[in-house]
Amino acid sequence: ETGVTQSPTHLIKTRGQQVTLRCSSQSGHNTVSWYQQALGQGPQFIFQYYREEENGRGNFPPRFSGLQFPNYSSELNVNALELDDSALYLCASSPGTGGYSPLHFGNGTRLTVT
Amino acid sequence: GQNIDQPTEMTATEGAIVQINCTYQTSGFNGLFWYQQHAGEAPTFLSYNVLDGLEEKGRFSSFLSRSKGYSYLLLKELQMKDSASYLCALDQAGTALIFGKGTTLSVSS
Repeated sequence: ETGVTQSPTHLIKTRGQQVTLRCSSQSGHNTVSWYQQALGQGPQFIFQYYREEENGRGNFPPRFSGLQFPNYSSELNVNALELDDSALYLCASSPGTGGYSPLHFGNGTRLTVT
Repeated sequence: GQNIDQPTEMTATEGAIVQINCTYQTSGFNGLFWYQQHAGEAPTFLSYNVLDGLEEKGRFSSFLSRSKGYSYLLLKELQMKDSASYLCALDQAGTALIFGKGTTLSVSS
């Protein structure tokens, strides 16, 4: 049973709009990562936060931004939505960074951009 | 960069053994993960290989050969509930996981 919860589960937005996705990590997990998973593809790394600081970023444009809060919650913000942003967005937490630290994924938010 | 290849789909019958292969080309990584993902659900951790060799965990085993750029996940005594997508992922510097596209396994009775 996952300790990572995401909201909302589904969301429909229009091209050009902005969206905020939320995640609540497992207690004690200082690292949160966000992934984008298009249909039929593996998850793609967006960015990682460690103790409220961005700790790594994948090949995503600046309109993808994030925040991590002291209470183990975090947000993914996407501005100027494009049709290709339609995907499952996964939040994952882990106790730390580096070494053997399996990610614990939430069930994701399914975003549809029309 | 990295290039991770997995078969797109596999089928097997209950009680059988199936091997899901993963090949990669990369300049370096900490270890290799396998995750299971049922449709509409979160990926769940199966195994992590750092050193070459076989890691056994119940019905599931995972193998890594760094020199050959190759890993596999072995599932024994297949059950219907094993029908899922299996994702191979490289652990790069403890930050990003680089995932393959996943292998969809269908188990039939």
